[in-house]
Amino acid sequence: DIQMTQSPSSLSASVGDRVTITCRASQGIRNDLGWYQQKPGKAPKRLIYAASTLQSGVPSRFSGSGSGTEFTLTISSLQPEDFATYYCLQHNTYPWTFGQGTKVEIK
Amino acid sequence: EVQLVESGGGLVQPGGSLRLSCSASGFTFSTYAMHWVRQAPGKGLEYVSAISTNGGITYYADSVKGRFTISRDNSKNTLYLQMTSLRAEDTAVYYCSRETVDYWGQGTLVTVSS
Repeated sequence: DIQMTQSPSSLSASVGDRVTITCRASQGIRNDLGWYQQKPGKAPKRLIYAASTLQSGVPSRFSGSGSGTEFTLTISSLQPEDFATYYCLQHNTYPWTFGQGTKVEIK
Repeated sequence: EVQLVESGGGLVQPGGSLRLSCSASGFTFSTYAMHWVRQAPGKGLEYVSAISTNGGITYYADSVKGRFTISRDNSKNTLYLQMTSLRAEDTAVYYCSRETVDYWGQGTLVTVSS
């Protein structure tokens, strides 16, 4: 199975901060990766697909990069509504696998 | 508007069975593979199962293989997950999602407890 190692597991940041979350795949997955935001009690919401394509309707402060085994989600200027848990998902090979999640908290 | 609505969750005893449903609308259901993903309380997301457009190809995570069966009825725009021999560790919110994992349902809670 492909392991997705996501870091950090949590972070504290202030409104306006630049935030970076990383996912590392145990083997190459091309750009078959998505990033999801989840708020408590809600279903995940896709932010990025194909590693770097912004989902329609998602603010441009979110961006994704990477290919192969290293991927990054960046929030350029953290907003109050961005405090949530973020997950990566690889869909290159079954079983599809999620990263462990990164909880973004208010400093 | 794409909508996915799960139902069928509830409290079941260990060893029991439950069938989840996911009713789809707003897109051509028969042309999309479908997935089930679950999330145990306070934990991360776990990929559970997938099914091809015509149901001929299925996939199961090792943790549910032999106990869960995914199926679909394209005439009813509905996805199913038959769960048997349920264990406490199957307690989770179960989400359905379409092939591109862009839209998710709101989830249905399954609690396995005596």
